[in-house]
Amino acid sequence: KAGVTQTPRYLIKTRGQQVTLSCSPISGHRSVSWYQQTPGQGLQFLFEYFSETQRNKGNFPGRFSGRQFSNSRSEMNVSTLELGDSALYLCASTLTVNTDTQYFGPGTRLTVL
Amino acid sequence: AQKVTQAQTEISVVEKEDVTLDCVYETRDTTYYLFWYKQPPSGELVFLIRRNSFDEQNEISGRYSWNFQKSTSSFNFTITASQVVDSAVYFCALSELKRGSTLGRLYFGRGTQLTVWP
Repeated sequence: KAGVTQTPRYLIKTRGQQVTLSCSPISGHRSVSWYQQTPGQGLQFLFEYFSETQRNKGNFPGRFSGRQFSNSRSEMNVSTLELGDSALYLCASTLTVNTDTQYFGPGTRLTVL
Repeated sequence: AQKVTQAQTEISVVEKEDVTLDCVYETRDTTYYLFWYKQPPSGELVFLIRRNSFDEQNEISGRYSWNFQKSTSSFNFTITASQVVDSAVYFCALSELKRGSTLGRLYFGRGTQLTVWP
C-alpha cells in the first residue's frame, strides 16, 4: 500500500507570495494532519482534517489555512509568505477516529526568499 | 499543558554500542498515547512505536526496546548493538485521546540527533 505522498517536494517562493501544498493520505485513511518543522521551533501542529472538516487547529496566524476534499486529499495554503515560513511541512494521515497512528509523508521543503 | 522533553540534543556512539534515548512527558490527562518516530536525513518521520497510558508493559522489537514508566513520566528508547543506519533524529511525542476525536495532535519533543560511527 502506498504511503502518504506530498507535492511538491521542494518549493522556492519570495516574500509576499502565496503557496499551496498538497497531501494525499494512505488509501483508506480519512484524517489528515499538518505540521511545520523549523530548527527554531521544532515540530508544531498546524491543523487536522477529518471528513472535510477542520477538527483541530494549532496556534498559527490566519495566513495558514487548509482544506480536505471528499477523497481525503488535503491542501494547505500559506498567504503573504514571510521569511519565517521557511520550513519543512509534513503531512500525516490516520485511519479513523480514536485509533491508529499518524503516518507521515516525506514533507515539502519550502524556502522563502 | 502537554509537554515532551528530550534532554539529549545529540548523542554519538560507535557501532555496536547500546544507546538509550530519554523522553520525559507532562500531561494532566489520564488517557494519552506516547510515540517514538525516527527522522532520517530524507526528512520523512518514520513511526517506531505507540504506547497508551494504560499499558506500561515494556516492549522489545529486534534491537529496539522501550521502557515506559508512568511513575516518572518517562518513555525511554534503547537501541541495542547500534548500527550506522540507525543514525537519525529521534522524536518522542505525546497525544491526548479525547472521546470522539482522532489522535489529531501530536506534541513533539525537540528530538535527539543520534550519530553512529563505524
